[in-house]
Amino acid sequence: QQQVKQSPQSLIVQKGGISIINCAYENTAFDYFPWYQQFPGKGPALLIAIRPDVSEKKEGRFTISFNKSAKQFSLHIMDSQPGDSATYFCAAEGSNAGKSTFGDGTTLTVKP
Amino acid sequence: KAGVTQTPRYLIKTRGQQVTLSCSPISGHRSVSWYQQTPGQGLQFLFEYFSETQRNKGNFPGRFSGRQFSNSRSEMNVSTLELGDSALYLCASSLRAGQGYTGELFFGEGSRLTVL
Repeated sequence: QQQVKQSPQSLIVQKGGISIINCAYENTAFDYFPWYQQFPGKGPALLIAIRPDVSEKKEGRFTISFNKSAKQFSLHIMDSQPGDSATYFCAAEGSNAGKSTFGDGTTLTVKP
Repeated sequence: KAGVTQTPRYLIKTRGQQVTLSCSPISGHRSVSWYQQTPGQGLQFLFEYFSETQRNKGNFPGRFSGRQFSNSRSEMNVSTLELGDSALYLCASSLRAGQGYTGELFFGEGSRLTVL
């Protein structure tokens, strides 16, 4: 049973464009929603995260939008750069620290 | 501060063999979790250890096992390897509630296992 559904599977964006990746979750017990960025040959690294008491969080060019009633959250990358080309994973976690449920990932390619 | 270290980085095994992977967490992190990453399945949770005890377990067969030592280092073992076990195995360390847990997982670079 997949508890976090991520889309699209792949995304191609022109440099300077906006990249948008969406995730939907099922378990209302989740209370922490991180996004991880993974470059080839590396492990995932935390990019930005949000808790359900806020609807939006912005860090530089990266923004998480969170809709608790729809059980959806999304990552927006403004002014996308070729260096942003990577695989992005959304995740969700409940009170069990260290056990995150991940989406299947989105491979982002930013063309120069 | 050193990051999460996983060894070996690459290994090739044949069906029926067993394999042991090692993970050294960030100093001070007592929670270690393991994930299997495959192209079609994303990151699948295997198990989590905290203070030498398995606290959480994913939906994997009993061929997948792990343990944690008193210094928080962890090992996972896969016995009777199958072709489908070919994957990148990622270890992540974190703090726990009461230790200043923020929710963030710190991943190593993984051990890439190929089963022939």
